[in-house]
Amino acid sequence: DAKTTQPTSMDCAEGRAANLPCNHSTISGNEYVYWYRQIHSQGPQYIIHGLKNNETNEMASLIITEDRKSSTLILPHATLRDTAVYYCIVRVGSGTYKYIFGTGTRLKVLA
Amino acid sequence: DVKVTQSSRYLVKRTGEKVFLECVQDMDHENMFWYRQDPGLGLRLIYFSYDVKMKEKGDIPEGYSVSREKKERFSLILESASTNQTSMYLCASISGIGKNEQFFGPGTRLTVL
Repeated sequence: DAKTTQPTSMDCAEGRAANLPCNHSTISGNEYVYWYRQIHSQGPQYIIHGLKNNETNEMASLIITEDRKSSTLILPHATLRDTAVYYCIVRVGSGTYKYIFGTGTRLKVLA
Repeated sequence: DVKVTQSSRYLVKRTGEKVFLECVQDMDHENMFWYRQDPGLGLRLIYFSYDVKMKEKGDIPEGYSVSREKKERFSLILESASTNQTSMYLCASISGIGKNEQFFGPGTRLTVL
């Protein structure tokens, strides 16, 4: 099963772009990369996902390298409310939807 | 909006008690999950279910069992609670179509004394 590696913590200034890296060097060709975030005392919340093309939605952008061994989640204009733990997940298993969550990156947005 | 609800936000039990954690989702999702979350360890999958009466072990099933008698309800059972089961328990569900995003409940913080 593909695993992910993320930095333990990062800081970002309010209003600046937050770039959160994730390494998934053992990812298989049909596995998607998902990003979730967890704000204190709440359950994780879906942000974005992708297979090999870059993706953008109203919350964030996802950049996946051509070899798919790593990706970056970009929050274009970080706010204090983006302070959270961000999880990069590779979806494993065909026919089931088992996810493996790592320990994530604790992002702190500074005023 | 999908809603995943858990029976309690906070629960205190004694060692050896049988504990039931209930999770209900209202969007007819096929797949449901139970995780526990501990500081420094992230979310770890205990059990998941992809259909009524079907279950599969996750990464840390020891000391737990589950029940899925109805599609909307997935229960986590601690047969004999122990202090090392003190944790935050999170339930989630996935539709299986579209984005396949997991929807999480608010969590139950269980303390076993």
